Amino acid sequence: DVKVTQSSRYLVKRTGEKVFLECVQDMDHENMFWYRQDPGLGLRLIYFSYDVKMKEKGDIPEGYSVSREKKERFSLILESASTNQTSMYLCASSLNGRSSGNTIYFGEGSWLTVV
Amino acid sequence: KNQVEQSPQSLIILEGKNCTLQCNYTVSPFSNLRWYKQDTGRGPVSLTIMTFSENTKSNGRYTATLDADTKQSSLHITASQLSDSASYICVVSERGSQGNLIFGKGTKLSVKP
Repeated sequence: DVKVTQSSRYLVKRTGEKVFLECVQDMDHENMFWYRQDPGLGLRLIYFSYDVKMKEKGDIPEGYSVSREKKERFSLILESASTNQTSMYLCASSLNGRSSGNTIYFGEGSWLTVV
Repeated sequence: KNQVEQSPQSLIILEGKNCTLQCNYTVSPFSNLRWYKQDTGRGPVSLTIMTFSENTKSNGRYTATLDADTKQSSLHITASQLSDSASYICVVSERGSQGNLIFGKGTKLSVKP
């Protein structure tokens, strides 16, 4: 079974702190994604990556950056956390970087609260 | 603008009953449509993925239909169980894109005993 593992399930951070959310997948997938999910808004794409060191902005990249130094690991970075970044963050991965027809596998989510 | 609309927003049914969730989309060009189940506090899990040429696909008690002409899909749940209580998310892919998935906001289903 494909496993997408997010390192932290629940985090509480202070405004202005730097926050790292880590994601690891074990199926040698090319594509990796970071989404945030908010009530009434659904999932929104922050960044995605289709290869090591490659990244592309999604719909809401402001206030976030990402890092993909190894194929299996995709990190989301909040340089200076703000209260409006309180949300559930979902990492996902899929095969075949240039195909949109593959199943996307999600992690269990990371609940971030910024106080 | 590419959009995915789901209805109803929420639904309450009794255990054992059937229900149908709707998904309408305006995504073009269309590649595929996926249904995901998301339990509260968990990540979404894939139920089905349907391409342009597929009209119906089943996964146990879940049956998805797709009408690419009218740009509509439905997810039918037969003989509902308490464990079916979850949000169901419709996701449409744009053909030729890599990361461009358009998510619906989901239907929250509650199955009561």
